[in-house]
Amino acid sequence: GQSLEQPSEVTAVEGAIVQINCTYQTSGFYGLSWYQQHDGGAPTFLSYNALDGLEETGRFSSFLSRSDSYGYLLLQELQMKDSASYFCAVRDSTGGFKTIFGAGTRLFVKA
Amino acid sequence: GAGVSQSPSNKVTEKGKDVELRCDPISGHTALYWYRQSLGQGLEFLIYFQGNSAPDKSGLPSDRFSAERTGGSVSTLTIQRTQQEDSAVYLCASSRTGGDTEAFFGQGTRLTVV
Repeated sequence: GQSLEQPSEVTAVEGAIVQINCTYQTSGFYGLSWYQQHDGGAPTFLSYNALDGLEETGRFSSFLSRSDSYGYLLLQELQMKDSASYFCAVRDSTGGFKTIFGAGTRLFVKA
Repeated sequence: GAGVSQSPSNKVTEKGKDVELRCDPISGHTALYWYRQSLGQGLEFLIYFQGNSAPDKSGLPSDRFSAERTGGSVSTLTIQRTQQEDSAVYLCASSRTGGDTEAFFGQGTRLTVV
């Protein structure tokens, strides 16, 4: 089976940097994704890591260590609009390529 | 279409009734996923389609749940004899292929069983 762990809640101030960690267990790991979901909205794709290392996309970066079954999402220059839930998700190659999501981290950005 | 479309957006049903939820994926996307999200919770995987076939049905919670996809496009999730614990937002997502890394989500169907 698959399992993912991430903190339930993180609070940070506007302009700061925040890191959301994710550890996972899966039998057929293919890659780690991150999605953002605002209240009442649909999840939207942020980033994907298949190989070890850091991927940077504007203010957001994502990191993966396959040997540690660990990844994180780094948000820089936080803005109020970044307040949302952030989900890590593993792509699992068993039974076809399905994506399994973690429980999500609720980020509160304060002024 | 321009995005993933789900209907209805809201559904209130009486316990014991059957419901059908519809998903229109992005045109040309071969992979389609159904997830369930309870209030404040993560996304629970239900089923995955590649074309019209479902390689993985492991997430369906019980035999009251079924799904089909026709013409490699529209998918219907059916819940028979609904129970109150079925109340949740049902999200559909599609991607170009099964190996594609980015999935595009619809706005979901909020199901309330009373």
